[in-house]
Amino acid sequence: GIQVEQSPPDLILQEGANSTLRCNFSDSVNNLQWFHQNPWGQLINLFYIPSGTKQNGRLSATTVATERYSLLYISSSQTTDSGVYFCAVSTSGTYKYIFGTGTRLKVLA
Amino acid sequence: GAGVSQSPRYKVAKRGQDVALRCDPISGHVSLFWYQQALGQGPEFLTYFQNEAQLDKSGLPSDRFFAERPEGSVSTLKIQRTQQEDSAVYLCASSLAPRNSGQPQHFGDGTRLSIL
Repeated sequence: GIQVEQSPPDLILQEGANSTLRCNFSDSVNNLQWFHQNPWGQLINLFYIPSGTKQNGRLSATTVATERYSLLYISSSQTTDSGVYFCAVSTSGTYKYIFGTGTRLKVLA
Repeated sequence: GAGVSQSPRYKVAKRGQDVALRCDPISGHVSLFWYQQALGQGPEFLTYFQNEAQLDKSGLPSDRFFAERPEGSVSTLKIQRTQQEDSAVYLCASSLAPRNSGQPQHFGDGTRLSIL
């Protein structure tokens, strides 16, 4: 089955810093989402982005499907950005998401 | 409501008891998914419904797990004779499109199940 690797596994930032999170996948995908799981366990949808680039405030994401990776950019990080970031993908002909290994982010005040 | 609603938010049960977890998807969403998230791990797929039809139950860990969506809206995940390894967060997601094609999945807040 498809493998989904995220890097870095852990990240500590000072408030105001920028960061880039990466998601690599081993096969072609037809769906890709980025999620933020906050410290209360809620899984928040950030982007649905099987290809191309999207921006939402301080966050943006780019998926290069032909090269099998996606990037999530966080600018001017805030303490509320802390939590775990997951990418999730599904392949053509399937529908269930395979979640990546996650990046645990901690933003210090 | 506007989002996916799950109840209860927390459930504590003694080993051997049966539990039932409820998911109320976004109105009109055709696809409904259940995932299990163990502590420190990412969610893992359990089962998928398209309307009332359970098209995939390949992720259910044992025959003690049973899911239904009889009228194509609300779904229930039932776990019989619970064991300690069933302790996890159970997440429900729904999507507008059949087979998750071209549409995002929207997740509920989950049910945190603890088996004593």
